[in-house]
Amino acid sequence: EAGVAQSPRYKIIEKRQSVAFWCNPISGHATLYWYQQILGQGPKLLIQFQNNGVVDDSQLPKDRFSAERLKGVDSTLKIQPAKLEDSAVYLCASSLDHQGIAGYNEQFFGPGTRLTVL
Amino acid sequence: AQSVSQHNHHVILSEAASLELGCNYSYGGTVNLFWYVQYPGQHLQLLLKYFSGDPLVKGIKGFEAEFIKSKFSFNLRKPSVQWSDTAEYFCAVLSGGYNKLIFGAGTRLAVHP
Repeated sequence: EAGVAQSPRYKIIEKRQSVAFWCNPISGHATLYWYQQILGQGPKLLIQFQNNGVVDDSQLPKDRFSAERLKGVDSTLKIQPAKLEDSAVYLCASSLDHQGIAGYNEQFFGPGTRLTVL
Repeated sequence: AQSVSQHNHHVILSEAASLELGCNYSYGGTVNLFWYVQYPGQHLQLLLKYFSGDPLVKGIKGFEAEFIKSKFSFNLRKPSVQWSDTAEYFCAVLSGGYNKLIFGAGTRLAVHP
């Protein structure tokens, strides 16, 4: 079974530039997550999709970050304009559903995109 | 809001030493707890999880964790570590009704042969 795919793996940009990341979840997984992992911290959920609808975007800085999952499969996360503090690894994960036995479905993570903002 | 604390940021051990990584959570009600591992150059993967029942949970690769409700803890243990256990370990708690994970800051484990 193919895992979660992400691209690019690395990106270096200057502040105030824009950048986009792409994620393709595991086939059949309805729920897709974007996490931000700053160096020295654990992953923090930015946005969660159930099919093509947003379930949770409470921690997404909406003034500069946007995400979409138009056809309920792959997703893009965009930052415009980027700031120095956006330097982080952006992780995409997917699960079968957002609820399951005991309200949990295992999340499977992709390799991440490491963003450096200069 | 729920939070997770991992007090050991870096741990260095020799092979065959015993391992215990601390994890404390803030929520006093029913909790679902996880340990994830990230090996160098690889993606995050689930090591073990606790939902209910036996507070001693066994995971992959010889790892186990004990849920102690009175101490709000879910420490990860392994009796004898190997060089291949070198990785970063994250404790996490399930938050809310939408499969949302709250992660701790992680512990970097280095095992020397």
